[in-house]
Amino acid sequence: KAGVTQTPRYLIKTRGQQVTLSCSPISGHRSVSWYQQTPGQGLQFLFEYFSETQRNKGNFPGRFSGRQFSNSRSEMNVSTLELGDSALYLCASSFSGENTEAFFGQGTRLTVV
Amino acid sequence: DAKTTQPTSMDCAEGRAANLPCNHSTISGNEYVYWYRQIHSQGPQYIIHGLKNNETNEMASLIITEDRKSSTLILPHATLRDTAVYYCIVRVATNSWGKLQFGAGTQVVVTP
Repeated sequence: KAGVTQTPRYLIKTRGQQVTLSCSPISGHRSVSWYQQTPGQGLQFLFEYFSETQRNKGNFPGRFSGRQFSNSRSEMNVSTLELGDSALYLCASSFSGENTEAFFGQGTRLTVV
Repeated sequence: DAKTTQPTSMDCAEGRAANLPCNHSTISGNEYVYWYRQIHSQGPQYIIHGLKNNETNEMASLIITEDRKSSTLILPHATLRDTAVYYCIVRVATNSWGKLQFGAGTQVVVTP
């Protein structure tokens, strides 16, 4: 069974540009969550999508957005990149319902220069 | 969501059991305790979770106190590959189940 797949694995962007990251969840999983990990702030929740609807949102500016497609694949977009957006971006997928576990992808390492 | 408190770091000898404590004194009745670990900037790996009963799987055992205010993750025979940051997370069993609130975790170093 394939795990959570994130693409690309590494990305270098310039300040002011925008970037789109992709996440393919485990087959059958309808919940996809995104996290940002930086050395200073640790792992922080960005948002969660379930059945193409954003269900939860973390405390990030509006430059961070996402969407989910009918096949549960998800993308997140960061516009007007800042140096502080350099981070490991992680995606996790899970079945819906309590008593379930979330499985993480290997992440996309974004460097903003 | 309930907050968790974990020691910053722990050392463990290879082959010995590693007991990782976690305090979650404000946990609510519908909140589960989850454990994840992260090895050197890879994606976090699910280990185990439980509500009130003790749980065991091929990776670890989870012991939750009767009042549910604390728990212990037990790695029965630590290996060098168990060196990682271990996160204890309390997760609500509602529509917020996709949201995991990570703390700083415990850096576990397994030594030969």
